[in-house]
Amino acid sequence: RKEVEQDPGPFNVPEGATVAFNCTYSNSASQSFFWYRQDCRKEPKLLMSVYSSGNEDGRFTAQLNRASQYISLLIRDSKLSDSATYLCVVNKGNDMRFGAGTRLTVKP
Amino acid sequence: EPEVTQTPSHQVTQMGQEVILRCVPISNHLYFYWYRQILGQKVEFLVSFYNNEISEKSEIFDDQFSVERPDGSNFTLKIRSTKLEDSAMYFCASMGLDAGELFFGEGSRLTVL
Repeated sequence: RKEVEQDPGPFNVPEGATVAFNCTYSNSASQSFFWYRQDCRKEPKLLMSVYSSGNEDGRFTAQLNRASQYISLLIRDSKLSDSATYLCVVNKGNDMRFGAGTRLTVKP
Repeated sequence: EPEVTQTPSHQVTQMGQEVILRCVPISNHLYFYWYRQILGQKVEFLVSFYNNEISEKSEIFDDQFSVERPDGSNFTLKIRSTKLEDSAMYFCASMGLDAGELFFGEGSRLTVL
């Protein structure tokens, strides 16, 4: 089983749509979870951390289910500027492991 | 805002040549990383470095790779004898004691001919 697994997509959605990404991880000892965003040919940048109770940042909501070892990211009212690859990141000790990313394209 | 800087931004080299990629992590960070991303593929962990030694390395990080922190600021990745399949974007990242956000440099694109 891969350390961090994501649906690669691509997800092609119209502006204003709601879209959800899922991620599963294999290491039950993982404690830190993140969603990063990567634009084409750029470095990954932190979008948001994922907390046990779930957390929201504007149009973005992240959820964690430890029992199922599952993380999700929900984007509401998607914008053209949300087009990017979304990377699920999970710690392994002090190291971070990346999923392969889910590609999102928001179309007008 | 403090940032991770990497040089060169792009290097073209011949197969078999040695390459050194340089990184200046954020100054008060303690954990340092190299990741690799082959075009169109995932971000792959290479190595992590803490307290002046490698703390973990992946199976990609074989004997042709080495890392060094020669002074208080630079963190380098050396590839001893480059292969065609080493062509990729190499990202340096650093993290503070809070073990929270990984901060990435803009990457060094390596092209091996």
